[in-house]
Amino acid sequence: GQQVMQIPQYQHVQEGEDFTTYCNSSTTLSNIQWYKQRPGGHPVFLIQLVKSGEVKKQKRLTFQFGEAKKNSSLHITATQTTDVGTYFCADRRGNTPLVFGKGTRLSVIA
Amino acid sequence: EAGVAQSPRYKIIEKRQSVAFWCNPISGHATLYWYQQILGQGPKLLIQFQNNGVVDDSQLPKDRFSAERLKGVDSTLKIQPAKLEDSAVYLCASSATRGHTEAFFGQGTRLTVV
Repeated sequence: GQQVMQIPQYQHVQEGEDFTTYCNSSTTLSNIQWYKQRPGGHPVFLIQLVKSGEVKKQKRLTFQFGEAKKNSSLHITATQTTDVGTYFCADRRGNTPLVFGKGTRLSVIA
Repeated sequence: EAGVAQSPRYKIIEKRQSVAFWCNPISGHATLYWYQQILGQGPKLLIQFQNNGVVDDSQLPKDRFSAERLKGVDSTLKIQPAKLEDSAVYLCASSATRGHTEAFFGQGTRLTVV
């Protein structure tokens, strides 16, 4: 079935460093959604990307959708301890269910 | 706006016992999902409802798992009999339509099978 691959699986950064997680697919994606899950919490929606080459920003977070719509990235500038959690990309194609990647777990060392 | 409500929050059962989880989605949300999240992994879809009809249950282990959404609102997920590998967090989510909208998740039910 459809599957999105996320890398890296884990990332440890010093507070203030930048962080990037990548989401890749072997097939064209309809749209990509990004979610954040804090330790012990539930996934919370961050953003949705629909258009080829789309770039969206939320404060220190920058989301990109690849030109071929086969990959996406989430970049956090100057990480803070509040950024700790697991970041998931989720693929949605038409009316099919939301399928999640395995996530990238971010640890921020103060 | 009230969020997605799930109960119970925690459940510990012995293998071969039965268990049921309940979900009340956000009012007016037609789409309801049940996900299984094993520790350290991403949420895995078990079943998707559109109103009271099943859209996708291809990954639901139907020999032991069942789900229903009577009247297109609340939903229950049942496991009978439970196995050790069913230990996970069971997340319920809802969204306004089946299209390009975000999913809102409940707090989840943490199931431990011993």
